[in-house]
Amino acid sequence: DAGVTQSPTHLIKTRGQQVTLRCSPKSGHDTVSWYQQALGQGPQFIFQYYEEEERQRGNFPDRFSGHQFPNYSSELNVNALLLGDSALYLCASSWGQGVQAGELFFGEGSRLTVL
Amino acid sequence: KQEVTQIPAALSVPEGENLVLNCSFTDSAIYNLQWFRQDPGKGLTSLLLIQSSQREQTSGRLNASLDKSSGRSTLYIAASQPGDSATYLCAVAAMKTSYDKVIFGPGTSLSVIP
Repeated sequence: DAGVTQSPTHLIKTRGQQVTLRCSPKSGHDTVSWYQQALGQGPQFIFQYYEEEERQRGNFPDRFSGHQFPNYSSELNVNALLLGDSALYLCASSWGQGVQAGELFFGEGSRLTVL
Repeated sequence: KQEVTQIPAALSVPEGENLVLNCSFTDSAIYNLQWFRQDPGKGLTSLLLIQSSQREQTSGRLNASLDKSSGRSTLYIAASQPGDSATYLCAVAAMKTSYDKVIFGPGTSLSVIP
């Protein structure tokens, strides 16, 4: 049973560029959430996708956008990259809508460095 | 606004000791609380999930308790091993309509010395 998979594992971008990160949820899960984790801090909630729609959003600017596909996989897009966007981006999957849906399972993350 | 804190920030213990990690949250209106383990540069591994109606959950050498009224959860690790060295994070699923979201604490960095 494949767990949550994320790609790419590492990437380097320069300020102003755009990046797309990808996530495939655990088998049987239909909800994907994205988190940003700065070094030495806990993950911060970006948004959650369920039934191909953004259902909940954290305190992140519109430069952060996402998409969920019919097979439940998801993308996170960040436009106009800033140095402060350098972080580990984590994808979590669960079953059912809402943050109360249940146990979260995380991927290994995508490490983004913005120069 | 829901806030989650964890004490201590770092902990170093000799192998074999029993230890307790603490997690506090400011608003008792939660759906559940989950404990995770994170190795350096890696993703999060789920350890235990406690629903708001439950008082504790156990898995192997791990036991997590939840006291919603006081806004506290503890993770008890029995007979610690060097392989337990990692950062432990707690996360609450907060239920206020203005910020329904999962909120993480900053983590406790645990080192188990052989």
